[in-house]
Amino acid sequence: DTVLTQSPALAVSPGERVTISCRASESVSTLMHWYQQKPGQQPTLLIYLASNLESGVPARFSGSGSGTDFTLTIDPVEADDTATYYCQQSWNDPLTFGSGTKLEIK
Amino acid sequence: EVQLVESGGGLVQPGRSMKLSCAASGFTFNNYDMAWVCQAPKKGLEWVATISYDGSSTYYRDSVKGRFTISRDNAKSTLYLQMDSLRSEDTATYYCARSAPGIPYYFDYWGQGVMVTVSS
Repeated sequence: DTVLTQSPALAVSPGERVTISCRASESVSTLMHWYQQKPGQQPTLLIYLASNLESGVPARFSGSGSGTDFTLTIDPVEADDTATYYCQQSWNDPLTFGSGTKLEIK
Repeated sequence: EVQLVESGGGLVQPGRSMKLSCAASGFTFNNYDMAWVCQAPKKGLEWVATISYDGSSTYYRDSVKGRFTISRDNAKSTLYLQMDSLRSEDTATYYCARSAPGIPYYFDYWGQGVMVTVSS
């Protein structure tokens, strides 16, 4: 299975820029997607196909990368962005998710 | 407005069965592949199974093959997950998710989830 590695946690202050990384154990081309999960809620789609912003998602969110290295950027961060962020690949079978990066807003 | 509402969860003994349902509304259900994704307590997300828009193709993660069956009733706009021979490691919140159109297989809408606890 394709393993997606994310750093476990980050803490930033409101107004700062934060980058959340996701590294794949093998190439996933650009079939990488990002989700936000707030405590007690279901995940919501933020970015699809590495860099495409889902409709309704603020332009503060952006994605980049291809192959094995991907990044989700939030600029500027707001207090409401407190959540766990997951990457997911759909290039290789089975579909796999990263373990999530918990973002704390100081 | 797209809505996915799961039901059917609860407490079940190891080795027993449980069937989850997901009622869909706000979109043309039979145009979309659908999936189940689970999340064990305090853990990350894990894809479980996918079914094609017409029910002709199904895909499973290895750990549930032969035990879980994904199905759908397009006339009722409802997705199902039949879970047999349940194990303690199947304990999780199960989310119904809509697969975005086309090949890329990401999930653009999720239900609120239903908890399944496998314990004696």
